[in-house]
Amino acid sequence: AQSVSQHNHHVILSEAASLELGCNYSYGGTVNLFWYVQYPGQHLQLLLKYFSGDPLVKGIKGFEAEFIKSKFSFNLRKPSVQWSDTAEYFCAVKFLRDNYGQNFVFGPGTRLSVLP
Amino acid sequence: NAGVTQTPKFQVLKTGQSMTLQCAQDMNHEYMSWYRQDPGMGLRLIHYSVGAGITDQGEVPNGYNVSRSTTEDFPLRLLSAAPSQTSVYFCASSYDRDRGTYNAEAFFGQGTRLTVV
Repeated sequence: AQSVSQHNHHVILSEAASLELGCNYSYGGTVNLFWYVQYPGQHLQLLLKYFSGDPLVKGIKGFEAEFIKSKFSFNLRKPSVQWSDTAEYFCAVKFLRDNYGQNFVFGPGTRLSVLP
Repeated sequence: NAGVTQTPKFQVLKTGQSMTLQCAQDMNHEYMSWYRQDPGMGLRLIHYSVGAGITDQGEVPNGYNVSRSTTEDFPLRLLSAAPSQTSVYFCASSYDRDRGTYNAEAFFGQGTRLTVV
């Protein structure tokens, strides 16, 4: 079965620190890759997505992610976090079988706490 | 354009009761799905639909039922609620066939926090 893993359960950083959240997936075929963010009490919002092309993608709020196909990884980065980045972050992979397949597999999530 | 609308936002049920969680989207999306979110487990797929009249099971389908009579609506039914179904439920939609690509993000509803006592 396809799976998605996230390296950290809970990350605690001070404001202005750099952030990198790891994500790996198990499938070697064609994938769509996503990072979603969930602020406390809210629904999931898309941070960024990768479909094809340049493996370095930029998203909203200064986030970026790099797709490394050989490592089946899609790590999320931000050079300088803010208190408002406190949230839970989910890596999600859509495994495209036969060029279809709209089922998303989510990682378990990483809770980010940014200290002011 | 409201996106994905879920109702209710909160619900408390007694064990054995039944209820329906509503989900509607206005983005002409063919694909709709239901997830449950539990601490430390991310989101797990319950049921999904690739179009009106077509549904299929996801990872954790037991105790839930779905139907898709229209493109817009995808209700989730709990047949006989159990405490193990206490969770936050999210409806999502994606994929507009008219765009001509399978590459698509998922749009999520606001979620329903369900407690079964």
